[in-house]
Amino acid sequence: EDQVTQSPEALRLQEGESSSLNCSYTVSGLRGLFWYRQDPGKGPEFLFTLYSAGEEKEKERLKATLTKKESFLHITAPKPEDSATYLCARGIREKLTFGTGTRLTIIP
Amino acid sequence: DGGITQSPKYLFRKEGQNVTLSCEQNLNHDAMYWYRQDPGQGLRLIYYSQIVNDFQKGDIAEGYSVSREKKESFPLTVTSAQKNPTAFYLCASSRTGAYEKLFFGSGTQLSVL
Repeated sequence: EDQVTQSPEALRLQEGESSSLNCSYTVSGLRGLFWYRQDPGKGPEFLFTLYSAGEEKEKERLKATLTKKESFLHITAPKPEDSATYLCARGIREKLTFGTGTRLTIIP
Repeated sequence: DGGITQSPKYLFRKEGQNVTLSCEQNLNHDAMYWYRQDPGQGLRLIYYSQIVNDFQKGDIAEGYSVSREKKESFPLTVTSAQKNPTAFYLCASSRTGAYEKLFFGSGTQLSVL
């Protein structure tokens, strides 16, 4: 069964305190690893796509990396506006399978 | 501005009633999707369509139906056969298929009266 597991479920950081979110997956044949940001009561917003091990992408305070079995979303010196739920998803068999997300709270 | 419009934002269903959620896109995307999101769970795929007049069941299609008569529109009907319909429903689209980034609508919260 295709599975995508995200950890931790929730993370509280002080403003400026850097950390990483993890996304691990089973089954081979990765067809893209996707990161989205979701604010409460809204639809997810696309952040990154990674396709091969070793690939990295950056956007402002966020950097996504990919290995053969997991991806990390690194957040550097976060601000309160980075508070959101971060979802990862992997592409396989013509669909995306999503993890349950990490709820990130940045405390001023 | 191009995007995906879902309506209504909130919807209430009575026992035995069918309700339809609207999803319209003006991005000229071929593929459209319906996901269901429950608290503490990931997004689960209900139905998807990669071309007009064709659609496929996702992981949790029972109790739902869709149509794709126009490229821009992909309405979802929650039938009375869906015994636990309370959830946040998200519509999404992509240019050609699932291995590209999805653009999501703002969602519809469906509750049972």
